[in-house]
Amino acid sequence: EPEVTQTPSHQVTQMGQEVILRCVPISNHLYFYWYRQILGQKVEFLVSFYNNEISEKSEIFDDQFSVERPDGSNFTLKIRSTKLEDSAMYFCASSEDRRYGYTFGSGTRLTVV
Amino acid sequence: GESVGLHLPTLSVQEGDNSIINCAYSNSASDYFIWYKQESGKGPQFIIDIRSNMDKRQGQRVTVLLNKTVKHLSLQIAATQPGDSAVYFCAETINTGNQFYFGTGTSLTVIP
Repeated sequence: EPEVTQTPSHQVTQMGQEVILRCVPISNHLYFYWYRQILGQKVEFLVSFYNNEISEKSEIFDDQFSVERPDGSNFTLKIRSTKLEDSAMYFCASSEDRRYGYTFGSGTRLTVV
Repeated sequence: GESVGLHLPTLSVQEGDNSIINCAYSNSASDYFIWYKQESGKGPQFIIDIRSNMDKRQGQRVTVLLNKTVKHLSLQIAATQPGDSAVYFCAETINTGNQFYFGTGTSLTVIP
């Protein structure tokens, strides 16, 4: 069964540093998403991406965040100048059609120290 | 903003029993709903979905019921198995949008 692959599975970074979280969506999917889940809290939407541009973003997704699809297979989330409160699980997801549910990756656990 | 909440944060059931997990949603404009299962250390896994023009949908061992009048969603798992132990989230969206709004989650524990 096709999978969304995320790397690394765990990232530890110093506060103020930049991190890039990587995702390989399912190959025939056109819609890409980033969500995050702070420990013990809800899964929260960050951003959706389609046709090489952001289609929707939440208020969490401020200027500190950016997304990119640098080639035909990868989809990245960059967090500039990380803060302690950025510590969370970050999930990438993709879908063939936004009228249907997504396939989520296993997540990257980001720990900011 | 939208709010998706679950009535019970934890649920324990005996293996073989049926489980019912409930969810309340507040946005009457939501027209597409999904139940996700999340096992420890993994991402949410799609279980079953339902659109607002339906009130019931069945899958393998799972049934989702939608009551739009009271904005309530439930997930029924038949003959619950130890492998069903996980956190279950309901998520809602308006089909014209891109994002899903997730509930807090219910932790289901199956007792062998």
